[in-house]
Amino acid sequence: DIVVTQSPDSLAVSLGERATINCKSSQSVLYSSNNKNYLAWYRQKPGQPPKLLIYWASTRESGVPDRFSGSGSGTDFTLTISSLQAEDVAVYYCQQYYGSPYTFGQGTKLEIK
Amino acid sequence: QITLKESGPTLVKPTQTLTLTCTFSGFSLSTSGVGVGWIRQPPGKALEWLALVYWDDAKRYSPSLRSRGTITKDTSKNQVVLTMTNMDPVDTATYFCAHMPEEQWLVAFDYWGQGALVTVSS
Repeated sequence: DIVVTQSPDSLAVSLGERATINCKSSQSVLYSSNNKNYLAWYRQKPGQPPKLLIYWASTRESGVPDRFSGSGSGTDFTLTISSLQAEDVAVYYCQQYYGSPYTFGQGTKLEIK
Repeated sequence: QITLKESGPTLVKPTQTLTLTCTFSGFSLSTSGVGVGWIRQPPGKALEWLALVYWDDAKRYSPSLRSRGTITKDTSKNQVVLTMTNMDPVDTATYFCAHMPEEQWLVAFDYWGQGALVTVSS
């Protein structure tokens, strides 16, 4: 199984500041034949289901604000929120879909400082 | 507009079988590339992918189900059913069903149900 590990477990950032969450997979999720990284990011607000933010490591889902961006390749990935808004308080998860089982990271809790 | 809704018992006893139904609208599970998955989340813990059924009836399971789980689809009823046998208190969780888009190889979930909390207790 591919293990996905996020860091940090929790993060406090001031409103308007940049937030960065990391995700590391135990093996590469880059598929060489199409040069795509099989990694997605989700945001889960309290009491709600997760919401897909990013897929293919850097493609923003329709309707997701452009303050959210994804980067990285191979085994190391980053979700960046360029200017934190109050509504971004949530737990963020990465998920690999390179191979079954399609594993999630343990989550990163983002709070306002 | 795509919507999904989970239904089933809120309380099951240990060793019993859990049957959860996902009823969806706004898409067809006969459309090439589309899938529906089940993901669960124990209280206060992380998401765990459990199973996935594709439009062509191909299925994928997490090893954590250890042959306890079965996923089936009924295209005519727009439903996907997850069955888990021999339930244990560690299976207490909110169970989500979610839509997988038709883009080839994209096993991410863009629409989710609100989730169904299942408690396993005697």
